[in-house]
Amino acid sequence: DIQVTQSPSSLSASVGDKVTITCRTSQNVNNFLNWYQQKSGKAPSLLIYSASTLHSGVPSRFSGGGSGTHFTLTINNLQPDDFAVYYCQQSSMTPLTFGGGTNIEIK
Amino acid sequence: QVQLIQSETEVKNPGASVSVSCKASGFSFTAFFIHWIRQAPGQGFEWIGRINTNTGATNYAQKFQGRVTLTRDTSINTAYMELNTLKSDDSAIYFCARGHSRVYFTFESWGQGTLVPVSS
Repeated sequence: DIQVTQSPSSLSASVGDKVTITCRTSQNVNNFLNWYQQKSGKAPSLLIYSASTLHSGVPSRFSGGGSGTHFTLTINNLQPDDFAVYYCQQSSMTPLTFGGGTNIEIK
Repeated sequence: QVQLIQSETEVKNPGASVSVSCKASGFSFTAFFIHWIRQAPGQGFEWIGRINTNTGATNYAQKFQGRVTLTRDTSINTAYMELNTLKSDDSAIYFCARGHSRVYFTFESWGQGTLVPVSS
């Protein structure tokens, strides 16, 4: 199975900050990497697919990058609605696997 | 709009089976895969498998092979997940999710989740 490792597991930030989350995979997944946001008690929602393509309706302050085994999710100008847990997921091969999540908290 | 409405909480004893339903609306049901994913309390996500809602063909994660069955009823736009021989570590929230319209193995829309506590 492809292992997916996210870092950091949590971070504290303020409104207006720029934050970057990293996701690494144990094998080359090309650009088959997705990012999701999950708010407390809710289902996840898709933010970015294919490493860098913004899902419909997602604000442009979110961006994704990387390929191969190293990926990033960047949030510019952090907004109050962005405090949540973020997960990456590889879609290269089954079983599909997820990172452990990054909890963005208010500083 | 796209909606996936799941069945309610199911409390189960070890060794029992659970069936979770996922009713779709707002899109052509047979044009998209339905995936099942679970999230144990305070834990990450595990992909269970997917069903081709048009043909009924399934793919399961090896961990669940032999213990899970995915089915669908196209007459009522509903997908089902049955998990057998439940153990305490099967306690989780089970989600259905619609596959992306253009990208394989990507979860574009999610159900609200069904909590399945397994405890004696």
